[in-house]
Amino acid sequence: DAKTTQPNSMESNEEEPVHLPCNHSTISGTDYIHWYRQLPSQGPEYVIHGLTSNVNNRMASLAIAEDRKSSTLILHRATLRDAAVYYCILKAGTGANSKLTFGKGITLSVRP
Amino acid sequence: NAGVTQTPKFQVLKTGQSMTLQCAQDMNHEYMSWYRQDPGMGLRLIHYSVGAGITDQGEVPNGYNVSRSTTEDFPLRLLSAAPSQTSVYFCASSYRGKGRNYGYTFGSGTRLTVV
Repeated sequence: DAKTTQPNSMESNEEEPVHLPCNHSTISGTDYIHWYRQLPSQGPEYVIHGLTSNVNNRMASLAIAEDRKSSTLILHRATLRDAAVYYCILKAGTGANSKLTFGKGITLSVRP
Repeated sequence: NAGVTQTPKFQVLKTGQSMTLQCAQDMNHEYMSWYRQDPGMGLRLIHYSVGAGITDQGEVPNGYNVSRSTTEDFPLRLLSAAPSQTSVYFCASSYRGKGRNYGYTFGSGTRLTVV
């Protein structure tokens, strides 16, 4: 499985934008880029995913580099509730057996 | 509310006991899976299923059994509990694909302690 590389941690201030980076230099042409987050003592929560184009939803934006070797999850205005571990994951194509393989993720802290 | 329901939320077992962790989803998702999460680590895949009657092993299957008799349910059985199986267990489900890529929905977890 293609791997992703994320910083261990990041700090941000409340109500400011947050850019969470992810490197995936060995991504294949059919891999989708998924982001999940896990709040303390909760299960992971789907945030967003994309293939080539930038994506927006109510939670966040996903910016994908033109060569697809990196991506950035953007939280437009961080809140205290956004403090969590964020996982960047490559999910193989549209096959029935494509699985999510979790790394250690990046721990986001939000300062009031 | 639609989602993935896991029971029980907490369980303490003695070494050698067996038990079943329950997982049910009401979203008609074909794909279901079980993960375990140990302190300070990411999630590791135990078993998964792409539809009723079909299961397969993930990264850490030893000591666990699964079956998928219905689309809705995907129970995880611990055959003979060991302290190394102390962990938080998460069940997840998703649509299967068919030309699209889908996100997963996770349950809230079962915290298992084996003494």
